[in-house]
Amino acid sequence: EAQVTQNPRYLITVTGKKLTVTCSQNMNHEYMSWYRQDPGLGLRQIYYSMNVEVTDKGDVPEGYKVSRKEKRNFPLILESPSPNQTSLYFCASSSTRYRGPRSYEQYFGPGTRLTVT
Amino acid sequence: KQEVTQIPAALSVPEGENLVLNCSFTDSAIYNLQWFRQDPGKGLTSLLLIQSSQREQTSGRLNASLDKSSGRSTLYIAASQPGDSATYLCAVVRETSGSRLTFGEGTQLTVNP
Repeated sequence: EAQVTQNPRYLITVTGKKLTVTCSQNMNHEYMSWYRQDPGLGLRQIYYSMNVEVTDKGDVPEGYKVSRKEKRNFPLILESPSPNQTSLYFCASSSTRYRGPRSYEQYFGPGTRLTVT
Repeated sequence: KQEVTQIPAALSVPEGENLVLNCSFTDSAIYNLQWFRQDPGKGLTSLLLIQSSQREQTSGRLNASLDKSSGRSTLYIAASQPGDSATYLCAVVRETSGSRLTFGEGTQLTVNP
């Protein structure tokens, strides 16, 4: 089954304790990205990756890091989490090579609810 | 900068009613537009994808139209059911942004039995 998986699904942590949220896709997609969703602000892109070893900032990258060492994985790293990073996080992927009726269609993971106290 | 607006922000209708959700975007240079459904606290489920060269897409009771030149899309839901209650999000991919999505804030739909 084609899917994007995220782990953990729920996480409660304390300020300053480094954490990693993993994201993996099994569709051989080139493009992967991270979004955060906050009430009243909608979904905003944090970082994205066009392919292995190619990453770039989205709209709200401050306080986050990413890496893309393998095509299928795109972890989100919070080096020193703060309470303003409490949010619902989504990973997404899409193909940039496929050209057809569903080109650039985005597939989303189930979300990770992060609470930083 | 691309901005996406969805109207109304919330909608409550009785079961069986046909309804229309609206989405507008400021930059008409888009590659495609995608409609998603999100249940409370859950992930996003892709409903329909319309390429910029298309005018509409249909899936079951759902029909989405796209007027790229005017920067508008509508999602039509026929014969609404309580199970349709969710937040509906539209998002666009700009021509120059690769696969990057810009989202609207969504329309929260409640269908009352």
